[in-house]
Amino acid sequence: GAVVSQHPSWVICKSGTSVKIECRSLDFQATTMFWYRQFPKQSLMLMATSNEGSKATYEQGVEKDKFLINHASLTLSTLTVTSAHPEDSSFYICSAREVVLMPQHFGDGTRLSIL
Amino acid sequence: GENVEQHPSTLSVQEGDSAVIKCTYSDSASNYFPWYKQELGKRPQLIIDIRSNVGEKKDQRIAVTLNKTAKHFSLHITETQPEDSAVYFCAASWAGNTPLVFGKGTRLSVIA
Repeated sequence: GAVVSQHPSWVICKSGTSVKIECRSLDFQATTMFWYRQFPKQSLMLMATSNEGSKATYEQGVEKDKFLINHASLTLSTLTVTSAHPEDSSFYICSAREVVLMPQHFGDGTRLSIL
Repeated sequence: GENVEQHPSTLSVQEGDSAVIKCTYSDSASNYFPWYKQELGKRPQLIIDIRSNVGEKKDQRIAVTLNKTAKHFSLHITETQPEDSAVYFCAASWAGNTPLVFGKGTRLSVIA
């Protein structure tokens, strides 16, 4: 149980392109989803927290107009990197939690490479 | 906000030996402490977690201890095996309602 699916797993695109990443909870309803960014050999840095049906809460320093997050249903959240540039290249991972006090479960991550 | 420090950053042990990874947290309100294992290029996987109402939890070769007074918690892996090699992250949150704050990770290498 507690499976989180994330797609795509790998994206390579040109600078200026917008990229959408999907995060789905397959066997539970996720009231809260989280988006992290991870640079090579570094820890997971929280970008934003999204609750179903409400606006995402972004961490300090994360541009909300750059990283658009939508959590329209209890099983799906999307992260759109708008007008991506090489510095946006990173490993993006989502996680989902059913309710408070329950563990967070992670997706497989998306490796984004902007040329 | 919460700050989690994790040590050591790298750890090498011989197969069969024990490995210990330590974390400290700053927010005394934190009461949920999970540990994740991440293999290269893969998702972090929850391996064990502990809540502040207990001091120790064990699951086969893995155990976690928590000292609320000192605000630190530790991961213990006994009888290590090569497949235990990975990066381990500790994390902390309050009532599971706040996002997890992660430590910087420990790269564990088990040498056969």
